[in-house]
Amino acid sequence: SAVISQKPSRDICQRGTSLTIQCQVDSQVTMMFWYRQQPGQSLTLIATANQGSEATYESGFVIDKFPISRPNLTFSTLTVSNMSPEDSSIYLCSVRSTESSGNTIYFGEGSWLTVV
Amino acid sequence: DAKTTQPPSMDCAEGRAANLPCNHSTISGNEYVYWYRQIHSQGPQYIIHGLKNNETNEMASLIITEDRKSSTLILPHATLRDTAVYYCIVRSLNTGNQFYFGTGTSLTVIP
Repeated sequence: SAVISQKPSRDICQRGTSLTIQCQVDSQVTMMFWYRQQPGQSLTLIATANQGSEATYESGFVIDKFPISRPNLTFSTLTVSNMSPEDSSIYLCSVRSTESSGNTIYFGEGSWLTVV
Repeated sequence: DAKTTQPPSMDCAEGRAANLPCNHSTISGNEYVYWYRQIHSQGPQYIIHGLKNNETNEMASLIITEDRKSSTLILPHATLRDTAVYYCIVRSLNTGNQFYFGTGTSLTVIP
């Protein structure tokens, strides 16, 4: 499976500020996704990061709050804008590659974000 | 998307088999069953997937009932490192490649 690196791994941010999370993959992948995991909760899909075009957002998530970039097949960023304490979560990047058996997806270790 | 139902928590004695059930009564004929697990503070880890036949790999076995309305993930010899939240996911082809996670089963392996 692909090796997925996320930066930062952890951060503490002030409310009202924005933070950009980076996801780097060691090989070209066809699909990249961003998930959020709030404390004690399951994973929620935020959006599909599309290479060279606007991301596809799930219901309840909007581009103004979570702008996403994917300039190439190995890199994506997620920005959490105008943060509030409710945005304190783990943000996870996941990918699907052409080598993925059964179209499985693989995850990075996540970025732990605390908003104070 | 098909919904899955899992017990919120289970215990298993170390060295014994852990059998984690999942109900997916509305699964469609071309939808696969996937299992992932998430050990505390880590990203989810892929375990296994199947369509209708039983599957086995180095991590686990997946038993899918003949009517495909339920499945069981089996960890044959549970260790303390298997303590994690286990997610059963049915992947809907109608929504492309997205995976939607339910609440999962929190498995605790007891020494």
